[in-house]
Amino acid sequence: EAQVTQNPRYLITVTGKKLTVTCSQNMNHEYMSWYRQDPGLGLRQIYYSMNVEVTDKGDVPEGYKVSRKEKRNFPLILESPSPNQTSLYFCASRSGSGYEQYFGPGTRLTVT
Amino acid sequence: DQQVKQNSPSLSVQEGRISILNCDYTNSMFDYFLWYKKYPAEGPTFLISISSIKDKNEDGRFTVFLNKSAKHLSLHIVPSQPGDSAVYFCAALSNFGNEKLTFGTGTRLTIIP
Repeated sequence: EAQVTQNPRYLITVTGKKLTVTCSQNMNHEYMSWYRQDPGLGLRQIYYSMNVEVTDKGDVPEGYKVSRKEKRNFPLILESPSPNQTSLYFCASRSGSGYEQYFGPGTRLTVT
Repeated sequence: DQQVKQNSPSLSVQEGRISILNCDYTNSMFDYFLWYKKYPAEGPTFLISISSIKDKNEDGRFTVFLNKSAKHLSLHIVPSQPGDSAVYFCAALSNFGNEKLTFGTGTRLTIIP
């Protein structure tokens, strides 16, 4: 089944404790992105990657890092999480021949 | 600065009637527009899209209209069904190859049986 998977689905952590949210897709897609969804703000892009080793900032990259060492994986790293990063995070991917993005199920992160 | 706006946070429509969801944008460089549907506890799923070279695209019960001069697009769902109850996001993209997809804030559609 074609899908985008994210882990963990739920995470509660404390300020300053480094964490990684994994994202994997099995569709051989070139493009992958991370978004955060906050009430009243919709989905905002954090980082995106157009292919292996090619990444770029989205609209709200501060406090986040990403890497794209393999085509299928695009982890999101929070080196020192803060409470304002409490949010619902989505990973997405798409092929180079289409515009529609396929989204993962989301990761709800709470930073206390 | 919100470049893609959905001014109606919520909308209620009787089952069988037409649902019309609206979206406005400010960036004239946007050349591709998409609608996504989102159920609780799930990721958004792609619904329908339209290129700026067209003014209408239809897929079954869903039709998207684009008015470039007004920088406005709308999604029509006819007839509305209870399973259409969800949050709908409008999104816009400029320059194919640039992956910066800008989303609106969403409209919660409730279909009343």
